[in-house]
Amino acid sequence: GAGVSQSPSNKVTEKGKDVELRCDPISGHTALYWYRQSLGQGLEFLIYFQGNSAPDKSGLPSDRFSAERTGGSVSTLTIQRTQQEDSAVYLCASSFLGGGGAGETQYFGPGTRLLVL
Amino acid sequence: AQSVTQLGSHVSVSEGALVLLRCNYSSSVPPYLFWYVQYPNQGLQLLLKYTSAATLVKGINGFEAEFKKSETSFHLTKPSAHMSDAAEYFCAVSDYQAGTALIFGKGTTLSVSS
Repeated sequence: GAGVSQSPSNKVTEKGKDVELRCDPISGHTALYWYRQSLGQGLEFLIYFQGNSAPDKSGLPSDRFSAERTGGSVSTLTIQRTQQEDSAVYLCASSFLGGGGAGETQYFGPGTRLLVL
Repeated sequence: AQSVTQLGSHVSVSEGALVLLRCNYSSSVPPYLFWYVQYPNQGLQLLLKYTSAATLVKGINGFEAEFKKSETSFHLTKPSAHMSDAAEYFCAVSDYQAGTALIFGKGTTLSVSS
């Protein structure tokens, strides 16, 4: 079956521009996560959606970052007024139930490589 | 707060040699532990996970890991390395009580030479 897909695979933008990154989770998965992978910081949690509950935004590094999930499926991560330090690989993952039960496996997409010039 | 430490950012082995990638965790409650592998320009793929069942966990591609509570460790091993094992490996922890976000180690790059 189809895995987690992300688009675009690569994005080059100029400092100060806004960017939108898209994630399509595995069909039927109710939990969706965004992570950021950068050379200096490794893999960092950004935001977590579970069903219709309010998202856990505790990992977002600044108010320039926001995300939404429409219809419990597709998610968009938006970075406003991009900075060079935003350059990283943005990974999306999904899992069936979320909620912390039974050590659920998170399935990752291939990522979006963002370069801010 | 939970944390994961992977000892050694780079490990090099010869083909056929034992692979040992080290992971130590810090958690105030029994954790769930994961090993993921990332091949170049790809996402993360689950190798194996510990969820409080058997302490010796077998995963894909011949990898296994042993949960040792007394040592707070979850080291990844493979008896005989293949060239195709060259990749970056991440250890991660998830705390049931704190939510489901994974906390990752910095990663270990495994190189395999012929």
